[in-house]
Amino acid sequence: SAVISQKPSRDICQRGTSLTIQCQVDSQVTMMFWYRQQPGQSLTLIATANQGSEATYESGFVIDKFPISRPNLTFSTLTVSNMSPEDSSIYLCSVDRGRTEAFFGQGTRLTVV
Amino acid sequence: GIQVEQSPPDLILQEGANSTLRCNFSDSVNNLQWFHQNPWGQLINLFYIPSGTKQNGRLSATTVATERYSLLYISSSQTTDSGVYFCAVEETGGNEKLTFGTGTRLTIIP
Repeated sequence: SAVISQKPSRDICQRGTSLTIQCQVDSQVTMMFWYRQQPGQSLTLIATANQGSEATYESGFVIDKFPISRPNLTFSTLTVSNMSPEDSSIYLCSVDRGRTEAFFGQGTRLTVV
Repeated sequence: GIQVEQSPPDLILQEGANSTLRCNFSDSVNNLQWFHQNPWGQLINLFYIPSGTKQNGRLSATTVATERYSLLYISSSQTTDSGVYFCAVEETGGNEKLTFGTGTRLTIIP
């Protein structure tokens, strides 16, 4: 298994501000994934982050809104920029092991007021 | 992209009951996983099961890849089984990206 530490675990933010979420993994991984889970919904992939290259964003997500950093093989950040109440969601980072099991951080529960 | 539908969307059971959750997917996959999301939002990997059958305690899962569905069985339910169950698939040629199903919310009543 993988141990993934994600922080903050929750936050309440004012609209128009930005929040950076951190994800630390206990061992080196090639790919890290960022998901969004809107209230009562399933998980949707935001982007895939590879070390040393630009993140790959899914349809409907753009770098200006969700900039991602991947400075090394154990760490990544996701920033939610210029927030609005519609950004209130749980944000999760994930890694997998050899294209088998995926492991998730505990999630960041974001409320925008 | 691939579509992943789960049924039923909601399930309420008495403690001790058994249940079967279903996951249908629209295209061939090379990875299928079942997850449990507890009431605090934590996602726990239950099974990696692209085909065949696996068992872990009171839980078991079966995937019939040729017919594009997977089943999760929970026996002798406990209140700690409550939460949302998701299946997630990586479609063939999907570059390790998981697509999550619609989820089944399970509530176990004492």
